[in-house]
Amino acid sequence: EVQLVESGGGLVQPGGSLRLSCAASGITLSSFSMNWVRQAPGKGLEWVSYISSSSTIIYYAESVKGRFTISRDNARNSLFLQMNSLRDEDAAVYYCAREATENRIDYWGQGTLVTVSS
Amino acid sequence: DIQMTQSPSALSASVGDRVTITCRASQSISSYLNWYQQKPGKAPKLLIYAASNLQSGVPSRFSGSGSGTDFTLTISSLQAEDFATYYCQQSYSIPRTFGQGTEVEIK
Repeated sequence: EVQLVESGGGLVQPGGSLRLSCAASGITLSSFSMNWVRQAPGKGLEWVSYISSSSTIIYYAESVKGRFTISRDNARNSLFLQMNSLRDEDAAVYYCAREATENRIDYWGQGTLVTVSS
Repeated sequence: DIQMTQSPSALSASVGDRVTITCRASQSISSYLNWYQQKPGKAPKLLIYAASNLQSGVPSRFSGSGSGTDFTLTISSLQAEDFATYYCQQSYSIPRTFGQGTEVEIK
């Protein structure tokens, strides 16, 4: 069975940090670019970050640039998102998502909830 | 950044209806347009990629068309399991922007 499983979400105070992980099983991530996409409660989808298969190309949304860091470990078939200086507006479900040929996101994790509150 | 605008934001339809959702890009994105379906509490699911290609396992009642700036998702005969929110996404450039979503509700 194909699975992307996120972990690391939880409750954090404003200004705090969290590290999200995404572990893949049944699929190989190493040949594919990966994304983090988030969804605030009751809102639409927002792209957060992109990393190429070899980690040589990385992009961030302006809203998280300088605070979030995406990384991957192809040997462990895993993706990460280090989130620092968290703000109220970062509260959301965070999805890891594999980007396949023709730039389509063909696999999504189930999401991990990040709550930012004092 | 490329802005994606979907219309309508919501619609009410009955089982068996033909449903059309449109998506407009703020600049040309060739055919780099994907459509996703999302049900409450679930991750999005890819329906259509590269504007008109049906993802494996997706029912043939879903179809997509368009190129450049104007795109359409059509459900030829709405089924009960199709009530959901639909998002377009451009994959032409970074940031990979999404439309605001179209909620398809039961009439």
